[in-house]
Amino acid sequence: RKEVEQDPGPFNVPEGATVAFNCTYSNSASQSFFWYRQDCRKEPKLLMSVYSSGNEDGRFTAQLNRASQYISLLIRDSKLSDSATYLCVVAFQGGKLIFGQGTELSVKP
Amino acid sequence: ETGVTQSPTHLIKTRGQQVTLRCSSQSGHNTVSWYQQALGQGPQFIFQYYREEENGRGNFPPRFSGLQFPNYSSELNVNALELDDSALYLCASTRTGLTYNEQFFGPGTRLTVL
Repeated sequence: RKEVEQDPGPFNVPEGATVAFNCTYSNSASQSFFWYRQDCRKEPKLLMSVYSSGNEDGRFTAQLNRASQYISLLIRDSKLSDSATYLCVVAFQGGKLIFGQGTELSVKP
Repeated sequence: ETGVTQSPTHLIKTRGQQVTLRCSSQSGHNTVSWYQQALGQGPQFIFQYYREEENGRGNFPPRFSGLQFPNYSSELNVNALELDDSALYLCASTRTGLTYNEQFFGPGTRLTVL
């Protein structure tokens, strides 16, 4: 079993749609949680951190459920520029990051 | 931009050869991690260096080795290259002590092994 598992993609949605990504992790010692975005053939970039209380950044909302070991990302009012691969990431003390395999999002006009 | 640079950007090698990839950390960052990203997969943790010592290692064989220098730049060395080593190699730097472990990635080196 992979340490971090994400919804298999790709997700193809029209502009303006709401899309949700799900992720589960297996190691309860995980310390921090993130969503990264990776554009084609580029490096991953931090999209947002994820907290148990939930956090929102504009059209993006992330949620963590430690009891279920589940992480989610909601994107509202999708834009063409949101097309990318979204990586669920779990961090351990010392800075080791474990990435999910990524979910590709394609937003169409 | 993150301020993390990597060289070279692309590299082609043949099986059995050795390769050295280089990473220059963001100013003020003392920790560097290396990741391997195969096509269609998420990055996989290779190892991390802090103050010139290896500080954690993923599930990679000993032919993957590294160095960190006093200026916090880093090298990844891979011996006896195999076809499956073809991947994007990413380095990421951070400053130990940051509460949320944000790491800043370089643009990567794309290695092709023929």
